[in-house]
Amino acid sequence: GQNIDQPTEMTATEGAIVQINCTYQTSGFNGLFWYQQHAGEAPTFLSYNVLDGLEEKGRFSSFLSRSKGYSYLLLKELQMKDSASYLCAVRDRNAGNMLTFGGGTRLMVKP
Amino acid sequence: GAVVSQHPSWVICKSGTSVKIECRSLDFQATTMFWYRQFPKQSLMLMATSNEGSKATYEQGVEKDKFLINHASLTLSTLTVTSAHPEDSSFYICSARVVAGAENIQYFGAGTRLSVL
Repeated sequence: GQNIDQPTEMTATEGAIVQINCTYQTSGFNGLFWYQQHAGEAPTFLSYNVLDGLEEKGRFSSFLSRSKGYSYLLLKELQMKDSASYLCAVRDRNAGNMLTFGGGTRLMVKP
Repeated sequence: GAVVSQHPSWVICKSGTSVKIECRSLDFQATTMFWYRQFPKQSLMLMATSNEGSKATYEQGVEKDKFLINHASLTLSTLTVTSAHPEDSSFYICSARVVAGAENIQYFGAGTRLSVL
């Protein structure tokens, strides 16, 4: 089975930087994904890590350490529109490469 | 990214009726599609994996006779909620996997909000 943990809620200020952590346990790790989901909408793909290290995409970066079972999503220069839930998902090759989602972190950006 | 089209986006129906939700991959072929359900303020729960040309694989606790899945082509999967009841009211989201070289990413449809009266 898989166990994916991420904080339930976070609050940050517009213009600041926020880091959302995700820890996981899985038998056949084959990639970690971050999705953004606004209320009432479907998730949109943000980033994907399969090797250790940092992947940067504009204001968003994602880091992975496979030995620690740990990832984080870093959001810079926060904007009000970044208020959303951020979902960490792990792909398991021993489960047909299916994604299992964490509970999501609800980020509230304040002025 | 790839485009997954899902409709309808919102359905209100009477208890006992059946509702069909369509999921299409618009610019790629998807041999595998996934159906998720999400309750308010909760994460996505996988209901079933839909495979083109074969039977769907259902997760534990999901009634296959209630949630009928058909994946008749490489670009279309449908989920039919049969004899819907108020407890079936939820947000249903489909997803398709893009496999192109080293890329293997799931993209999501816009979701269908089902309200059963």
